[in-house]
Amino acid sequence: GAVVSQHPSRVICKSGTSVKIECRSLDFQATTMFWYRQFPKQSLMLMATSNEGSKATYEQGVEKDKFLINHASLTLSTLTVTSAHPEDSSFYICSAKPGPVTMNTEAFFGQGTRLTVV
Amino acid sequence: DAKTTQPPSMDCAEGRAANLPCNHSTISGNEYVYWYRQIHSQGPQYIIHGLKNNETNEMASLIITEDRKSSTLILPHATLRDTAVYYCIVSYRNSGNTPLVFGKGTRLSVIA
Repeated sequence: GAVVSQHPSRVICKSGTSVKIECRSLDFQATTMFWYRQFPKQSLMLMATSNEGSKATYEQGVEKDKFLINHASLTLSTLTVTSAHPEDSSFYICSAKPGPVTMNTEAFFGQGTRLTVV
Repeated sequence: DAKTTQPPSMDCAEGRAANLPCNHSTISGNEYVYWYRQIHSQGPQYIIHGLKNNETNEMASLIITEDRKSSTLILPHATLRDTAVYYCIVSYRNSGNTPLVFGKGTRLSVIA
């Protein structure tokens, strides 16, 4: 299947600093990518939909000024957690579907990024 | 909100078939049934999907009832590496900008 790669896989940062997480589709182009967050022993919760060349669409309750999403190319989306706090510690996962919006395909997921804010 | 209901946990003996049920009574005519699994501290992995007919691939089989209100994922010979959380999701297939909505899934424990 298609490959989606996230970097870094783990990051520890100090409270108040910003952290950038990259999500790359390695062997396909993705007009749309999705970002999820997962707390321990819970399911994946959708944070936002990242659209290439346009603004991201955020889910209710997700602060767009805190979680900055940039989708500058068809193979790269980035999530920046700004002014991170311990409660932002979580497992962040990106997802992408190959092809344009109307193409029939399943979604592929990155390996996830474990963020710990100390 | 997720449109599926799954048992929270199941056990399966190694080498035996694991049968994971899923209820999706409000599924629409054009919605597919997808199964993903998530091994601890990894991203979800695609397993299989189907619309009406039963499907089989190298990983698993998917049995969908005739009324499409429920389905069963079958891992024919479970191994310890199949221990994971299994998610059943219904979604339109030709919807590149529609995200998958995850429910709570079933935590499958394969026991030696």
